[in-house]
Amino acid sequence: QQQVKQSPQSLIVQKGGIPIINCAYENTAFDYFPWYQQFPGKGPALLIAIRPDVSEKKEGRFTISFNKSAKQFSLHIMDSQPGDSATYFCAASKHNFNKFYFGSGTKLNVKP
Amino acid sequence: DAGVTQSPTHLIKTRGQHVTLRCSPISGHKSVSWYQQVLGQGPQFIFQYYEKEERGRGNFPDRFSARQFPNYSSELNVNALLLGDSALYLCASSLDPEGGLAGEQYFGPGTRLTVT
Repeated sequence: QQQVKQSPQSLIVQKGGIPIINCAYENTAFDYFPWYQQFPGKGPALLIAIRPDVSEKKEGRFTISFNKSAKQFSLHIMDSQPGDSATYFCAASKHNFNKFYFGSGTKLNVKP
Repeated sequence: DAGVTQSPTHLIKTRGQHVTLRCSPISGHKSVSWYQQVLGQGPQFIFQYYEKEERGRGNFPDRFSARQFPNYSSELNVNALLLGDSALYLCASSLDPEGGLAGEQYFGPGTRLTVT
């Protein structure tokens, strides 16, 4: 049973566009939701994270929107650039952080 | 500062063999977690160790084992390798798994294991 469901599987946008990646979870005990960016041949890099006590968090061009009642959260990339082309993973964890559940990933291609 | 380091980078093994993968966490980090990432999928949790004790275990068979050393480095061992064990094995470290933001995980580059 997949704890975190991610969509879409792939995404193509033009430079300057705003790609949106969505994730949904079932376990209401989750209270930490990070996003990771992974380039080919590299390990995932922590991008931004949110807790359920806020509905939105911004860091630079990256924004997480969180809907606790719907058990959904999403990543928005403002003014996307070709260098943002990578695979993005959402994840979820309980407060004790002893296990992270990852989504299946979204491959983003930002065209020049 | 050095990030999480893993060795070896790549490894080719034959079915039935044993493999040991190594991880050194970020300096000051006391927790290490291991993940398996099959091509095209998200990482799957295998183990977490904190202060040399196992704190969490994922749904992997007993062929998978790990340990953490006094210097907080860690080893992942896989016995009786199967073709399906071919994957990128990722190590992540964190400062303190129950320390709020200190629980954030930072990943190494991974070890690419190919089983033939």
